[in-house]
Amino acid sequence: ELKVEQNPLFLSMQEGKNYTIYCNYSTTSDRLYWYRQDPGKSLESLFVLLSNGAVKQEGRLMASLDTKARLSTLHITAAVHDLSATYFCAVGLNQGGKLIFGQGTELSVKP
Amino acid sequence: KAGVTQTPRYLIKTRGQQVTLSCSPISGHRSVSWYQQTPGQGLQFLFEYFSETQRNKGNFPGRFSGRQFSNSRSEMNVSTLELGDSALYLCASSLDGLAGGPSYNEQFFGPGTRLTVL
Repeated sequence: ELKVEQNPLFLSMQEGKNYTIYCNYSTTSDRLYWYRQDPGKSLESLFVLLSNGAVKQEGRLMASLDTKARLSTLHITAAVHDLSATYFCAVGLNQGGKLIFGQGTELSVKP
Repeated sequence: KAGVTQTPRYLIKTRGQQVTLSCSPISGHRSVSWYQQTPGQGLQFLFEYFSETQRNKGNFPGRFSGRQFSNSRSEMNVSTLELGDSALYLCASSLDGLAGGPSYNEQFFGPGTRLTVL
């Protein structure tokens, strides 16, 4: 059974600092996703990573994928308060739309 | 382009009742997946429908069922509601990566239906 584990689960950061969220998964997969969820809201797609070594960046967020290590990272650069949210990684299983989600990382960025 | 829509947005039911939730995917998307989100269990996959057929299924009891119509709209039904069914139910739609394109199946989520079982 595929398991997806994120760490840390809670992250309190100061504005301007850098940090990394880790996503480990237990079975081979060819696709990994990162989502953001604001309180009371739905999931917003951030990144789709499809191959080993893939790196994508959007603003202060950068995601990477190492399929051999079964590890993805979400790096936050110079955090700002607007980045406060819960971040989920999800791994695609088999063909089709089945995603297995990590527990989520609740990020709080304080002035 | 309109996003994924779900109705109703909020629902209150009592134990033993049944409920039907609806999801309209993004135009052109043929795959619809359903997820349950709770504080204790997180985000869990319920099932996926593609071309009116269930293509993938999660580990939920038979009380949870779904279907998809020819216009790709989907419904999920929960019968004999239990207190533990209280959750945010999210629907997601995607293009079908099996149709010769990259197997990415990026999923776009709707706003969810908040179900409370009393």
